[in-house]
Amino acid sequence: AQSVTQLDSQVPVFEEAPVELRCNYSSSVSVYLFWYVQYPNQGLQLLLKYLSGSTLVKGINGFEAEFNKSQTSFHLRKPSVHISDTAEYFCAVSERGYQKVTFGTGTKLQVIP
Amino acid sequence: GAGVSQTPSNKVTEKGKYVELRCDPISGHTALYWYRQSLGQGPEFLIYFQGTGAADDSGLPNDRFFAVRPEGSVSTLKIQRTERGDSAVYLCASSSQRVWSNQPQHFGDGTRLSIL
Repeated sequence: AQSVTQLDSQVPVFEEAPVELRCNYSSSVSVYLFWYVQYPNQGLQLLLKYLSGSTLVKGINGFEAEFNKSQTSFHLRKPSVHISDTAEYFCAVSERGYQKVTFGTGTKLQVIP
Repeated sequence: GAGVSQTPSNKVTEKGKYVELRCDPISGHTALYWYRQSLGQGPEFLIYFQGTGAADDSGLPNDRFFAVRPEGSVSTLKIQRTERGDSAVYLCASSSQRVWSNQPQHFGDGTRLSIL
């Protein structure tokens, strides 16, 4: 069975500083990987996804993530954060051939002015 | 509207009652998903529809939970004999293709269900 671990429940970072949100997954088969963002009282929005090909994936709002198969990781990065990036971020995995998407417990990013 | 619409936005009911939660997907989207998000947790997959049929219902926690999509558009999640542990935000998402395509899942704002 697939699983996702987001080690950091909260990450405070100063405005314009870089940030990395960590995600590790576990699966016995090939996977698809996703990062979603959830702003307060709103639904989830897809930031980026890895399906195949280049391991460096670029998403919306200046975010990017790198798929590392040997370390089973899919960390999310942004070189310079803004106040508007304050939200909760969810990493998710889906095993190829199945529709079930498993989400991590989320990381709350707090950008400090 | 252009997005996924979920009604009601909030539902409060007593333990043991029956509830129905509605999801209106984006027009033309064939894939529809239900998730449950408990406080402090990530969304938990419940069921996936492709058209009218439930292609994967492996996430439904027990037989008190049931979902339908009779005409391949609107879906209703039904919960019988509600329990306090059913309290959560129920999210619906739709997509024009399967999850591994280049088309993303579009999420609604959810229904916050509270069982007293």
